[in-house]
Amino acid sequence: GNSVTQMEGPVTLSEEAFLTINCTYTATGYPSLFWYVQYPGEGLQLLLKATKADDKGSNKGFEATYRKETTSFHLEKGSVQVSDSAVYFCALMNTGNQFYFGTGTSLTVIP
Amino acid sequence: DSGVTQTPKHLITATGQRVTLRCSPRSGDLSVYWYQQSLDQGLQFLIQYYNGEERAKGNILERFSAQQFPDLHSELNLSSLELGDSALYFCASSVGGRGVQETQYFGPGTRLLVL
Repeated sequence: GNSVTQMEGPVTLSEEAFLTINCTYTATGYPSLFWYVQYPGEGLQLLLKATKADDKGSNKGFEATYRKETTSFHLEKGSVQVSDSAVYFCALMNTGNQFYFGTGTSLTVIP
Repeated sequence: DSGVTQTPKHLITATGQRVTLRCSPRSGDLSVYWYQQSLDQGLQFLIQYYNGEERAKGNILERFSAQQFPDLHSELNLSSLELGDSALYFCASSVGGRGVQETQYFGPGTRLLVL
């Protein structure tokens, strides 16, 4: 089957700290992988995506690399800001156009 | 602002009732997706429509149904409501229906409370 597992939160970091949010997946076939971000009171926004193995998605200083050998898509940022405080969702889309989301990881960045 | 609109923003109803949630996609987008976000189930994909036709189905209950109209807006109908249906329902849209290559734009959601 298809599923996404991401690290439990909440995560609290100081400003300028390094961020890693782990995400692993189980899928049949060759899924696309996504990170979405949800700011308080808002809908989800696509943060980055990767559609095949070894692709690196990047946006706003965030990066994630599609690792087929470890079935992972970990989100990283070198220096977080207070404005990065949000809930982050890892997701996959299989070749049947079905989406599967992780449970979300809440990030709080303190000044 | 993503350009996707959803109405109503909030909905309070009783068990056993039926409600309709409405979504208008971004101008030019042909696909509409529906999601349910709840505390116990997390974020779940329900269904996708592309240009009026059902394209993909996720964890949508039989009590729920959706459709996409010729003007591309979509409605999600929830019937025989149960307490566990209380959740935030998101609609998203994308330009095409190719799924894996598409960027989805999410609306602000409709918060449903079943009492």
